[in-house]
Amino acid sequence: AAGVIQSPRHLIKEKRETATLKCYPIPRHDTVYWYQQGPGQDPQFLISFYEKMQSDKGSIPDRFSAQQFSDYHSELNMSSLELGDSALYFCASSLEDSATGELFFGEGSRLTVL
Amino acid sequence: RKEVEQDPGPFNVPEGATVAFNCTYSNSASQSFFWYRQDCRKEPKLLMSVYSSGNEDGRFTAQLNRASQYISLLIRDSKLSDSATYLCVVNGGNYGQNFVFGPGTRLSVLP
Repeated sequence: AAGVIQSPRHLIKEKRETATLKCYPIPRHDTVYWYQQGPGQDPQFLISFYEKMQSDKGSIPDRFSAQQFSDYHSELNMSSLELGDSALYFCASSLEDSATGELFFGEGSRLTVL
Repeated sequence: RKEVEQDPGPFNVPEGATVAFNCTYSNSASQSFFWYRQDCRKEPKLLMSVYSSGNEDGRFTAQLNRASQYISLLIRDSKLSDSATYLCVVNGGNYGQNFVFGPGTRLSVLP
């Protein structure tokens, strides 16, 4: 079965550069979430989209923005990168009306800022 | 205070031991509860949903106490392969869903 696809899997950037992460949710899933997980930390919610509209916002820095496109894929744009942005970025998708409400995660994109 | 809190861990137990993890949540409007398992440098994966009546899946038993806003996970006859971080996840029930993760409890099962 198709899973959540994230790209790139690994990304190395310099400070003050920009980065874009992509997420392709499971087909027919209408909700996408972005999480940031630093070393030894639990996943921190950044932002979510439901039916291409932002539905909730967490601890996302102003330097970051995200959107969900008509094909339901989502992109997380990060600008003016800082060393502290180095983390594993997970995208997850779910079906709003799912009886289980389960979140399905992608394998993550590991960002290293030098 | 964090919205979802868990036992600090780590838990180091011998194979075959029974181990229990606890989790508390602060949002009384929370509607769905889950235990996720995360292996090192991997994505979290659903271990089990937690239902009001309690539920069991093989060696794993989850309990929910809404009045106390408390969730537990019991692992019996632990295996080496159970070594991982266990994340308590609460769906806050807001529009569009809002899954909140606890800090995780790390389990190491020792031979």
